[in-house]
Amino acid sequence: NAGVTQTPKFQVLKTGQSMTLQCAQDMNHNSMYWYRQDPGMGLRLIYYSASEGTTDKGEVPNGYNVSRLNKREFSLRLESAAPSQTSVYFCASTRREKGLYGYTFGSGTRLTVV
Amino acid sequence: GQQLNQSPQSMFIQEGEDVSMNCTSSSIFNTWLWYKQDPGEGPVLLIALYKAGELTSNGRLTAQFGITRKDSFLNISASIPSDVGIYFCAAHKNSGEKYYGGSQGNLIFGKGTKLSVKP
Repeated sequence: NAGVTQTPKFQVLKTGQSMTLQCAQDMNHNSMYWYRQDPGMGLRLIYYSASEGTTDKGEVPNGYNVSRLNKREFSLRLESAAPSQTSVYFCASTRREKGLYGYTFGSGTRLTVV
Repeated sequence: GQQLNQSPQSMFIQEGEDVSMNCTSSSIFNTWLWYKQDPGEGPVLLIALYKAGELTSNGRLTAQFGITRKDSFLNISASIPSDVGIYFCAAHKNSGEKYYGGSQGNLIFGKGTKLSVKP
């Protein structure tokens, strides 16, 4: 019963470096999401994938790209990291249909850009 | 856009005290949820509410779906040290009867209420 698994848990990048945050869920959910969490800002949606094969921008998409690799996996890529992208990143998933009730979150990736 | 206004932003608790927090919006929602986030972890769902006026309990936690569908309340009775963390309200337009696609179908979150232990 792994739920939503995020890797890595911690990462330090230098400004300008690139990296991909990985997310996988084993609950057969069709929708997946990437959020960032900063102090006092709550959870802000970066990108989401309502179903396999689709991705859409959320509230704060600049500087990020995503790939819905298959139904299980949804990755977030930083092409050229900036200090403003220092944050905690959460992946979430859910069934997106009538009776949808809540998201299941991973435990987060703590990213520091120096 | 749609926003959830959550208050208070932070509060200190003493063991045994009751705690209340709420979430309001100018928009109508069909589902309200409450999450708790422990330090170093992702948010975990505590309570889900699906009908206006609904009152639901989960142990010492009780949450209500406001009758106007624009607000929700969470109460914690007889707080204990492990209650510390950040509590988020969240709301959704989708329900068992109505389905919204696209960005309208996404969950919206409040900014959180941080519970800490009184020094």
